[in-house]
Amino acid sequence: QSALTQPASVSGSPGQSITISCTGTSSDIGGYIYVSWYQQHPGKAPKLMIYDVSNRPPGVSNRLSGSKSGNTASLTISGLQAEDEADYYCSSYTSSNTLVFGGGTKLTVL
Amino acid sequence: QVQLQESGPGLVKPSQTLSLTCTVSGVSISTGSYYCGWTRQPAGTGLEWIGRLHTSVHSSGITSYNPSLKSRVTISVDTSKNEFSLKLTSVTAADTAVYYCSIYSSGWNSDYWGQGTLVTVSS
Repeated sequence: QSALTQPASVSGSPGQSITISCTGTSSDIGGYIYVSWYQQHPGKAPKLMIYDVSNRPPGVSNRLSGSKSGNTASLTISGLQAEDEADYYCSSYTSSNTLVFGGGTKLTVL
Repeated sequence: QVQLQESGPGLVKPSQTLSLTCTVSGVSISTGSYYCGWTRQPAGTGLEWIGRLHTSVHSSGITSYNPSLKSRVTISVDTSKNEFSLKLTSVTAADTAVYYCSIYSSGWNSDYWGQGTLVTVSS
């Protein structure tokens, strides 16, 4: 299975909004609701931020939102804060009953 | 509070078997309807899903593995100890990574993660 495609890096200034894309195929993102987003700070374990395309777990800021169109999912972070600087990974269920991650996107808050 | 802790050798020789255990506290993995799984991350690169297993006594044995690792991977559970394990056979340097255990409380989302453990494959 091929990794989902994410931009290597994105950046934004405090207060701005950014969007990270995650592109797959009709056999993964395009076919199912099981798209998740994880945040990972250096040396730390990933943290679930969005699940089932657009749902936030308890305690996750409402500045984060997720969406999907066709074979591409997106994570939007509004009102950027310094603490948002991290790596972000998307994941999706696949038609092979497996999970696949994206390559990861490094978010820099300028 | 759900907590996961990986344990196992930090150094494994090439061609040998990598064995890790994930001890879970704060939740009984046998009485709930959970999947337990493993993900790894080579240094400086992204996450790679390894696989997962259902822990319910009614659904035990339901597993799913990454096709690229399937021939070498086994995930098992010991509900009496509230822990689950990973075995990866015939390891090479390419298997050097931080290995994370996680619990999926619903769907395909890993809600809880261990802190990760570095395993180096080297002679």
